[in-house]
Amino acid sequence: ETGVTQTPRHLVMGMTNKKSLKCEQHLGHNAMYWYKQSAKKPLELMFVYSLEERVENNSVPSRFSPECPNSSHLFLHLHTLQPEDSALYLCASSQGRNDPSPLHFGNGTRLTVT
Amino acid sequence: AQKITQTQPGMFVQEKEAVTLDCTYDTSDPSYGLFWYKQPSSGEMIFLIYQGSYDQQNATEGRYSLNFQKARKSANLVISASQLGDSAMYFCAMREGRSGYSTLTFGKGTMLLVSP
Repeated sequence: ETGVTQTPRHLVMGMTNKKSLKCEQHLGHNAMYWYKQSAKKPLELMFVYSLEERVENNSVPSRFSPECPNSSHLFLHLHTLQPEDSALYLCASSQGRNDPSPLHFGNGTRLTVT
Repeated sequence: AQKITQTQPGMFVQEKEAVTLDCTYDTSDPSYGLFWYKQPSSGEMIFLIYQGSYDQQNATEGRYSLNFQKARKSANLVISASQLGDSAMYFCAMREGRSGYSTLTFGKGTMLLVSP
């Protein structure tokens, strides 16, 4: 399998549930990212992991908890979410900082919080 | 202030014609990169083209070219010979500064519809 794979593709959860989103990259990259895409808003960066160390956390509420056990895997643990957290969550990876070093995205997880 | 501005919420073009999608950016960093991504209805963001702030020539990738006007801080995407499969959302994004990773700031996007 190649590229960036996200599971599940769709997730419906209640506000009291706990669930996790999974991301796996097969590109040998050393940085991984979580972005949130809400309707009619630009993509919002949530977290960045570089060499398995969290390097950015863009004021994301604590109900979102990332985990990066190794350079190929990234998780986003969800608990006590709110309906406004419904969105498309996109995972991405990149290799270092040699230009252009674009982000390679997965297909996303469409999350609905009821 | 928005760092990336895409003023066209939607654009229509006929098949085989060229179309230009606008993007302006705002940064005080002399070192930056500009990216265009395509997002079909499937959701995946597909990297199309990149322009570095120090690049002397406009970037080209197949049917995609970037009209980079540094003084005006614009980086418009030109798609030549449009195809039905080009119908998608298109996002302009910018990376500022230099670090060991590649954080991008995105615009709100432009929906392109290609008609037969």
